[in-house]
Amino acid sequence: GESVGLHLPTLSVQEGDNSIINCAYSNSASDYFIWYKQESGKGPQFIIDIRSNMDKRQGQRVTVLLNKTVKHLSLQIAATQPGDSAVYFCAESKGGGFKTIFGAGTRLFVKA
Amino acid sequence: NAGVTQTPKFRILKIGQSMTLQCTQDMNHNYMYWYRQDPGMGLKLIYYSVGAGITDKGEVPNGYNVSRSTTEDFPLRLELAAPSQTSVYFCASSYSRQGTEAFFGQGTRLTVV
Repeated sequence: GESVGLHLPTLSVQEGDNSIINCAYSNSASDYFIWYKQESGKGPQFIIDIRSNMDKRQGQRVTVLLNKTVKHLSLQIAATQPGDSAVYFCAESKGGGFKTIFGAGTRLFVKA
Repeated sequence: NAGVTQTPKFRILKIGQSMTLQCTQDMNHNYMYWYRQDPGMGLKLIYYSVGAGITDKGEVPNGYNVSRSTTEDFPLRLELAAPSQTSVYFCASSYSRQGTEAFFGQGTRLTVV
């Protein structure tokens, strides 16, 4: 398992700037890659997912990029807001949700 | 539409005690999951269910049991609580087999002393 909490990677951005959160995954056979947001004291909340045969997918203010060559996933948040402050988890799924592996979280701080 | 509801939110157990963590969802999802999130660690899958009457072990099932008698409910049972089970427990459900867009409950913070 990966460590979160005290040793959580952190990213600090200014309000209004764009944020890029990175994730390295391990299983090249994964079908889906997923991003979750977890606010303090709450359960993870689905943000966006991308299928393995895609390179890019856009949602509302978020874009996920998938680079299968280097097994890298990123989440871009446009015009970051204070409400975006949270821990962000990437996850990979192969063969069903019961095989979803959560990666290390990244804590995003948004400075006003 | 309440989504995924977990009870209780907090609980302190003594070593050797038993308890059931309740989870119910009102979205008619077939797939349900139990995760634990330890301090300093990520989410680990304990058990999952693909429908009423069908459950299977996840990555860390030891010390836990589940049942799924209805689509809505997926309780998690701790039989003999141990300090190693101190964690935050999350129940989740999804409509797709892929498990993407899973909906999580608010969590149950369990401390075993």
